[in-house]
Amino acid sequence: QVTLKESGPGILQPSHTLSLTCSFSGFSLSTYGMGVSWIRQPSGKGLEWLASIWWNGNTYNNPSLKSRLTVSKDTSNNQAFLKVTSVDTADTATYYCAHTRKLGGFDYWGQGVMVTVSS
Amino acid sequence: DIQMTQSPPSLSASLGDKVTITCQASQNINKYIAWYQQKPGKAPRLLIRYTSTLESGTPSRFSGSGSGRDYSFSISNVESEDIASYYCLQYDNLPYTFGAGTKLELK
Repeated sequence: QVTLKESGPGILQPSHTLSLTCSFSGFSLSTYGMGVSWIRQPSGKGLEWLASIWWNGNTYNNPSLKSRLTVSKDTSNNQAFLKVTSVDTADTATYYCAHTRKLGGFDYWGQGVMVTVSS
Repeated sequence: DIQMTQSPPSLSASLGDKVTITCQASQNINKYIAWYQQKPGKAPRLLIRYTSTLESGTPSRFSGSGSGRDYSFSISNVESEDIASYYCLQYDNLPYTFGAGTKLELK
């Protein structure tokens, strides 16, 4: 059974770095074809894919966030991480991590973690 | 980036109705489209991937079709538990992109 759970700071100040952790079970990020993606959703708005990290260490980021995103993984502890630098109020959203299969889309999602950027 | 134009933005249906949502991609996405259901306060749930493949647990009243740039998602015999927002996702090309969503309400 695949499960994922996001954790993060809840609230942070503008210009700071957002660090999120996705803890998962039921699959390994060292298995061929497996990946973890990050998606966010501002309250009342649509979904935006942010980044993905794959079993082989390859990472892909949404160019709309320029170079503000960093994704990484700790395979032995079944965790994936997302860092977003220089946050501002536009980064206020619920952030989800999702199990991703090669050409399979995002099939299992975490419950999401709400992040508020405010001074 | 591939733009996904989803319509309509909202839909009002009676129980038992058939409803259809469409997504048009800005270029051919080779059937790599998924459909998600999202209820308030919950994470999206994958219903259909690769245009028409139902995920385990997805009721058979949900269906998907299409090719090239044009895709559709239907619910036959709408039930009260189907009241939610629905999103399409193209995963043929990076960056992955979602449609803007369709909110399904009861008439």
